[in-house]
Amino acid sequence: NAGVTQTPKFQVLKTGQSMTLQCAQDMNHNSMYWYRQDPGMGLRLIYYSASEGTTDKGEVPNGYNVSRLNKREFSLRLESAAPSQTSVYFCASSEDQGVANTQYFGPGTRLTVL
Amino acid sequence: GDSVTQMEGPVTLSEEAFLTINCTYTATGYPSLFWYVQYPGEGLQLLLKATKADDKGSNKGFEATYRKETTSFHLEKGSVQVSDSAVYFCALSSGNTPLVFGKGTRLSVIA
Repeated sequence: NAGVTQTPKFQVLKTGQSMTLQCAQDMNHNSMYWYRQDPGMGLRLIYYSASEGTTDKGEVPNGYNVSRLNKREFSLRLESAAPSQTSVYFCASSEDQGVANTQYFGPGTRLTVL
Repeated sequence: GDSVTQMEGPVTLSEEAFLTINCTYTATGYPSLFWYVQYPGEGLQLLLKATKADDKGSNKGFEATYRKETTSFHLEKGSVQVSDSAVYFCALSSGNTPLVFGKGTRLSVIA
């Protein structure tokens, strides 16, 4: 089992460019999440998908879009990157969104927007 | 809304010292509580969890007890090692909402 995989690991963009961060899980989980991690801010939820076919906004959704492509894959798109989106992005999955469910995290994508 | 407050770091300890990282929470209902650990250059991984009041979660020598009366879930370890150097996150989940994380506490253990 690979668990949760993310591509790419590193990316540098110029302001205004677009890109898609890819995430896939092989644990047959129903729920998937995108977070960003900034120094001193902990992890903040961008979007999540409680089950295939549904997506919901988290705490900081502005400037992002998501697609739950199938049960395995959940992508995050930046349509017009801004320097404020420089961050480390983590994808996670859980069996479902029940209160006791453990989330499993990918290794992260480090994004720099110049 | 739900929130988690944990002690600010960084925390620097000598090897074999006792560790406490404080975590308190605000939540409606009856949340589950978690500690996650992030080693350098990696994603987060679950360290331990507790799902109801007075439960004690434990793993790798770390422990935390769910205290409803003080709304706390403090992380403790009796004797830290250099390999415990990492960032530790307290988190809660309430109802069907995703995890809410604290800001993280960086621990450095020196030999």
